[in-house]
Amino acid sequence: GAVVSQHPSWVICKSGTSVKIECRSLDFQATTMFWYRQFPKQSLMLMATSNEGSKATYEQGVEKDKFLINHASLTLSTLTVTSAHPEDSSFYICSGVNNLPMNTEAFFGQGTRLTVV
Amino acid sequence: TQLLEQSPQFLSIQEGENLTVYCNSSSVFSSLQWYRQEPGEGPVLLVTVVTGGEVKKLKRLTFQFGDARKDSSLHITAAQTGDTGLYLCAGNTDKLIFGTGTRLQVFP
Repeated sequence: GAVVSQHPSWVICKSGTSVKIECRSLDFQATTMFWYRQFPKQSLMLMATSNEGSKATYEQGVEKDKFLINHASLTLSTLTVTSAHPEDSSFYICSGVNNLPMNTEAFFGQGTRLTVV
Repeated sequence: TQLLEQSPQFLSIQEGENLTVYCNSSSVFSSLQWYRQEPGEGPVLLVTVVTGGEVKKLKRLTFQFGDARKDSSLHITAAQTGDTGLYLCAGNTDKLIFGTGTRLQVFP
């Protein structure tokens, strides 16, 4: 199946710094990329949806200035957590889809565990 | 806002038992998917159901999509320890929204 490569797999950063997470679709064109965060023992919560070449659409309650999403090409999307705080510590996962509507499979990255100290 | 409610939230059973996980919503979805997730990894797709009333079988797993395409169920027959994990349903509209999750623990 198709592969989405997500890096880094884990990162520890200091409060106030920024962290960039990359997701690359290796063998398909991800026209849409979804970004999720997952707290321990909970489900995936959608943060934002990005379409290649356009601005991301953020879910209610997600600060767009704090979680910067860039989807400049069909194979790369990035999430930057700016001015990170300990409460931003979480598991972040991306998911790429080739064309909507989505009756086809969404391909997930391996996830990034972010710890802010 | 979580549009998809799963029940039960937790399930602890012994090997060989049967179980059913439910996924319910007030929204209609163009399709619904079931995933299983291991700790520290991304979800892995198990099945996609598209047509209302559709039933799909994957070895010991049986998936059903409700007639109105608002709900779904996952039935596991003769559970094995390898079935342990977090089971997630996800509904497709113009985005992929996950259910609240069901954590299954199968004991030998």
